[in-house]
Amino acid sequence: DAGITQSPRHKVTETGTPVTLRCHQTENHRYMYWYRQDPGHGLRLIHYSYGVKDTDKGEVSDGYSVSRSKTEDFLLTLESATSSQTSVYFCAIRFQGRMNTEAFFGQGTRLTVV
Amino acid sequence: AQTVTQSQPEMSVQEAETVTLSCTYDTSESDYYLFWYKQPPSRQMILVIRQEAYKQQNATENRFSVNFQKAAKSFSLKISDSQLGDAAMYFCAYRGNTDKLIFGTGTRLQVFP
Repeated sequence: DAGITQSPRHKVTETGTPVTLRCHQTENHRYMYWYRQDPGHGLRLIHYSYGVKDTDKGEVSDGYSVSRSKTEDFLLTLESATSSQTSVYFCAIRFQGRMNTEAFFGQGTRLTVV
Repeated sequence: AQTVTQSQPEMSVQEAETVTLSCTYDTSESDYYLFWYKQPPSRQMILVIRQEAYKQQNATENRFSVNFQKAAKSFSLKISDSQLGDAAMYFCAYRGNTDKLIFGTGTRLQVFP
């Protein structure tokens, strides 16, 4: 499973509440990514990190923030959850080494905002 | 900005037959990498095959091969001798110099016995 764990795996939350999703890796990979997957949209990049405290926005970053205070953890926070953020969220990691290295994905977190 | 387009939302194939999934992309970069990922109902993302843009030779992995046309910015996936276990969502992905991995919208492949 490439040493990547997402938690929680499922969550139901109410509109307006903050939510934090956690991605934990044991591989010491430099790059970590957060995606959301929605029918008809594929996987869209929310934020990514290229090192501790080094993050950048993806194409759908509004309403989301991230933090990476240590190599192994990459947190995604929905500051005030909305129904449009109901989705399946995937974390991915990638080794820095060769440029063609693949990304390894977590099992996903299904988030429902009611 | 780079984009990846998969114009076939759904495809179907009979077991043991061959199917080709299409992918086109738009970029101004000369060095980049292309990937095909498979997502079965378990939701796990599985790398199927990868292609470096600087390589002219098309990548092959067992029953999976690509037709990489750099000038046309096309990267199609051919699955030979299709099996029931090939049924899944297939995503084409691009990564260039920004380290962002950009996905297409996916193609759902059904395999009929």
